Amino acid sequence: DQQVKQNSPSLSVQEGRISILNCDYTNSMFDYFLWYKKYPAEGPTFLISISSIKDKNEDGRFTVFLNKSAKHLSLHIVPSQPGDSAVYFCAASGMNNNDMRFGAGTRLTVKP
Amino acid sequence: GAVVSQHPSRVICKSGTSVKIECRSLDFQATTMFWYRQFPKKSLMLMATSNEGSKATYEQGVEKDKFLINHASLTLSTLTVTSAHPEDSSFYICSARQSGTEAFFGQGTRLTVV
Repeated sequence: DQQVKQNSPSLSVQEGRISILNCDYTNSMFDYFLWYKKYPAEGPTFLISISSIKDKNEDGRFTVFLNKSAKHLSLHIVPSQPGDSAVYFCAASGMNNNDMRFGAGTRLTVKP
Repeated sequence: GAVVSQHPSRVICKSGTSVKIECRSLDFQATTMFWYRQFPKKSLMLMATSNEGSKATYEQGVEKDKFLINHASLTLSTLTVTSAHPEDSSFYICSARQSGTEAFFGQGTRLTVV
């Protein structure tokens, strides 16, 4: 049962442009959402999170948007840099729950 | 951010033997630890969730007798792959979380069973 979905396996963007990565979820009990970045053979690293009481959270070049009614969140990276090339995972959990579910990941390639 | 140390980073073992992977939270107390497995070109699949001092909760399809998880303290969890087979070869990742915060991940362990 795929509770968190990232329908785009890959995304290619030109340096300096905006990267938009999307994520959908099905479990209405999720109220805390996170984005992780992962390089091959390494553990994921935390990027940014958002709780369900907000619809936007910004940290430098990274902004996460949450649309609870649509059960959709997105990560915007602007401007995109070649060093942003990695696999990005969307994750969801409940603040009072212990599990954390991941999407399948989207491989972002930022071309110089 | 917080540091989670996972050891070893790589291990090769013979089929039929057991291998233990350690996950330590170095600068915080982890009320919950997660173990994930990543197959090539696939997502992180949650194997089990453990809370300190209690039995792990395994995901459907994960054999609890094969993947033994011990969360003995607030800073240490171990995953033991028992009677390993080549199909157990994978990349295993742990993460640790304080209540209500993001989870921090270990570096991962590449297990190869020959």
